[in-house]
Amino acid sequence: GQNIDQPTEMTATEGAIVQINCTYQTSGFNGLFWYQQHAGEAPTFLSYNVLDGLEEKGRFSSFLSRSKGYSYLLLKELQMKDSASYLCAVRDHDSGTYKYIFGTGTRLKVLA
Amino acid sequence: GAVVSQHPSRVICKSGTSVKIECRSLDFQATTMFWYRQFPKQSLMLMATSNEGSKATYEQGVEKDKFLINHASLTLSTLTVTSAHPEDSSFYICSAVVRPVTWGSEGEQYFGPGTRLTVT
Repeated sequence: GQNIDQPTEMTATEGAIVQINCTYQTSGFNGLFWYQQHAGEAPTFLSYNVLDGLEEKGRFSSFLSRSKGYSYLLLKELQMKDSASYLCAVRDHDSGTYKYIFGTGTRLKVLA
Repeated sequence: GAVVSQHPSRVICKSGTSVKIECRSLDFQATTMFWYRQFPKQSLMLMATSNEGSKATYEQGVEKDKFLINHASLTLSTLTVTSAHPEDSSFYICSAVVRPVTWGSEGEQYFGPGTRLTVT
């Protein structure tokens, strides 16, 4: 079956570092995405991993371990505007078609 | 960058009526569009994959006769919620994929701004 798990909520302080974990189980793994979503808005792309290792983009980094079915999103120098939901999504290749499976999302609250 | 629009952005309808939501790719052709549903404080749930010129592929548990999807052109897909009920109230988001797919980038899947449906 397909399953993606993330913590439901996290709280951190402005200027700190936070790590949001994601574990997944899919039959046709073909890449992992992280999206940011503010309430009432569509998701916006943050990062993509398909090979093991760390991808860094400014204050955001994403890590993938395919053997462990594990990824994390690392946010540095947290800002108030980073308060949002963070969605882990897996691109799954099944029967010749691609689709995206989203985790439950992690609501991050950044406190002053 | 590519833009996907949705119309309407918000709609309120009475129970038993039907509502049509449009998803348009404004400056590119999208052979594939995805329809998602998101309940409050939950993640996106894929409802169906819409391919231009063919029948949509629905996810398990999604009633194809209730959620009618039409992908008549390379720039337009529509989702019609038939005989809507209060439990259908949700945030509906479409996304479009450009061909050839720009794998692993922001451009792989462009999201529309979403449609907030409230059924009274």
